[in-house]
Amino acid sequence: EAQVTQNPRYLITVTGKKLTVTCSQNMNHEYMSWYRQDPGLGLRQIYYSMNVEVTDKGDVPEGYKVSRKEKRNFPLILESPSPNQTSLYFCASSLRSAGNTIYFGEGSWLTVV
Amino acid sequence: QKEVEQNSGPLSVPEGAIASLNCTYSDRGSQSFFWYRQYSGKSPELIMFIYSNGDKEDGRFTAQLNKASQYVSLLIRDSQPSDSATYLCAVNFAGGTSYGKLTFGQGTILTVHP
Repeated sequence: EAQVTQNPRYLITVTGKKLTVTCSQNMNHEYMSWYRQDPGLGLRQIYYSMNVEVTDKGDVPEGYKVSRKEKRNFPLILESPSPNQTSLYFCASSLRSAGNTIYFGEGSWLTVV
Repeated sequence: QKEVEQNSGPLSVPEGAIASLNCTYSDRGSQSFFWYRQYSGKSPELIMFIYSNGDKEDGRFTAQLNKASQYVSLLIRDSQPSDSATYLCAVNFAGGTSYGKLTFGQGTILTVHP
């Protein structure tokens, strides 16, 4: 089954404690991306990757890091989480770019206290 | 900042009516346009995409694109209570460093009442 898998799905953490949200896709997609969703603000793009070792900033990259060492994985790293990073996070992938159909993971609810 | 604007609603229509959802975008160079549906607490799911001016129909859904006026709309015919959700418009601003960016509108909440 074609899917985008995120982990963890739910996490409560404390300010400053580094965490990583993993994302994996099994569709051999070149393009992967991370979004956060907040009430009234919609989905905002954090980072995206056009291929292995190629990453770029989206609209709200501050406080986040990513890496793309393998085609299937695109982890999101919060080096020092803060309460304003409490949000619902979605990983997504598509065949080649943001101009193709994008498939979303189920989302990760992150709370930073 | 390239922008995508939607009326947040809520838009309420009776069952069986046509629901009309609108979206405007700021960049004339935009290439690809998507409509996603999102149920509360779930991930967005693609309804339709459109690349060219005009209408594109898929079952009860019709997407309309007018690049000159920079708007894209979604019509839902014979609306059903199961269509009640948030509808997200997304635009790919292609070209240069924007090739990988997909910008979403805030979403329109649609409620279909029996």
